[in-house]
Amino acid sequence: SAVISQKPSRDICQRGTSLTIQCQVDSQVTMMFWYRQQPGQSLTLIATANQGSEATYESGFVIDKFPISRPNLTFSTLTVSNMSPEDSSIYLCSLTDRGDYGYTFGSGTRLTVV
Amino acid sequence: AQSVAQPEDQVNVAEGNPLTVKCTYSVSGNPYLFWYVQYPNRGLQFLLKYITGDNLVKGSYGFEAEFNKSQTSFHLKKPSALVSDSALYFCAVSLPTSGTYKYIFGTGTRLKVLA
Repeated sequence: SAVISQKPSRDICQRGTSLTIQCQVDSQVTMMFWYRQQPGQSLTLIATANQGSEATYESGFVIDKFPISRPNLTFSTLTVSNMSPEDSSIYLCSLTDRGDYGYTFGSGTRLTVV
Repeated sequence: AQSVAQPEDQVNVAEGNPLTVKCTYSVSGNPYLFWYVQYPNRGLQFLLKYITGDNLVKGSYGFEAEFNKSQTSFHLKKPSALVSDSALYFCAVSLPTSGTYKYIFGTGTRLKVLA
């Protein structure tokens, strides 16, 4: 299955600033997904990113807050904009290229907003 | 509403003993079922899946899971636990009939294997 390189692995940011998280895949994949894992909670899907089209956001998530880019089939970014302490979470990118409906996940970005 | 439940926040087991991590689901249709493991400071890793066929599926690291349609459960099991199995385990359901690969995740169960 594909391998994802996600960076940064962690960051501490000031409130009101923005952070862009990058995921690079070692092969071409159609669908990529961005998840949020808040402290002590499960994973919540933020959006689905397909190359060449706008991302599809889940209820409770908006493009102005979490803009996503998908310029080609091997790369995607998620920006967390105008951050507040409530945005402190682990953010994970993932893809479905296993051929068996399983996901491959990036190693995650641990974001702390102070 | 469709949901996945992992009723235990934490499971403690002695090394060498069998372990079970429970998962039940409430979804319409015929879901695909998965288990993932998350080690500290790492992303999620795929363990095993149930799509169709034999109710007992075997996965990575000696883990297996049993699908029970009548009880809508998909419990994760291992005959003999290792200290290195200590991690956070997530059950997930996929609904391919929805036309997407979206998952519904459980809340996770922290497994602690004691030496």
